[in-house]
Amino acid sequence: SQQGEEDPQALSIQEGENATMNCSYKTSINNLQWYRQNSGRGLVHLILIRSNEREKHSGRLRVTLDTSKKSSSLLITASRAADTASYFCATSGGTSYGKLTFGQGTILTVHP
Amino acid sequence: KAGVTQTPRYLIKTRGQQVTLSCSPISGHRSVSWYQQTPGQGLQFLFEYFSETQRNKGNFPGRFSGRQFSNSRSEMNVSTLELGDSALYLCASSLGGTREETQYFGPGTRLLVL
Repeated sequence: SQQGEEDPQALSIQEGENATMNCSYKTSINNLQWYRQNSGRGLVHLILIRSNEREKHSGRLRVTLDTSKKSSSLLITASRAADTASYFCATSGGTSYGKLTFGQGTILTVHP
Repeated sequence: KAGVTQTPRYLIKTRGQQVTLSCSPISGHRSVSWYQQTPGQGLQFLFEYFSETQRNKGNFPGRFSGRQFSNSRSEMNVSTLELGDSALYLCASSLGGTREETQYFGPGTRLLVL
């Protein structure tokens, strides 16, 4: 079963607009990661935020983490058509090695 | 540095057959994790290997097994294939020293069971 939910399930925007995706999880975590997947291919790692961090930036990406609400958000600024993909959050927690628990993902479509 | 590679990329099998998928991690990475991705269940963890030992296992039947070699390459095997085993199988590698590492994914093997 999945760790949590992602919201929205699908998002359609125009190039240049910002895209915000949300992720909720159920149990305590060590860290939370965001991945991108293009058309059923492999996952590309975007950013990792540790449980003691509240915000992290990487290029056009901004991730926030609220452990009290067990939620995270991914903001992509100035979206491009090439950002069209599925975005997944994944958590690792407890004493478990090598296991990421994924959300259901958000399908982002950026129209040129 | 070369990324994670998976072979084969596509596979068609019939029910009852068995299949072996291969994963070569990034050079220097000693941990390999396997995931199954389906439209209905999403991404689910199968198992993780480190230094030829399985350290963690997901909730899959015993038909799903794996192993890791001394060069960190890993294989997973599915015996007695069922239609529901049709999926994208992804492997990911990481250095393996801690529980907080980034996992780097391969392109996946798409398995179709007829």
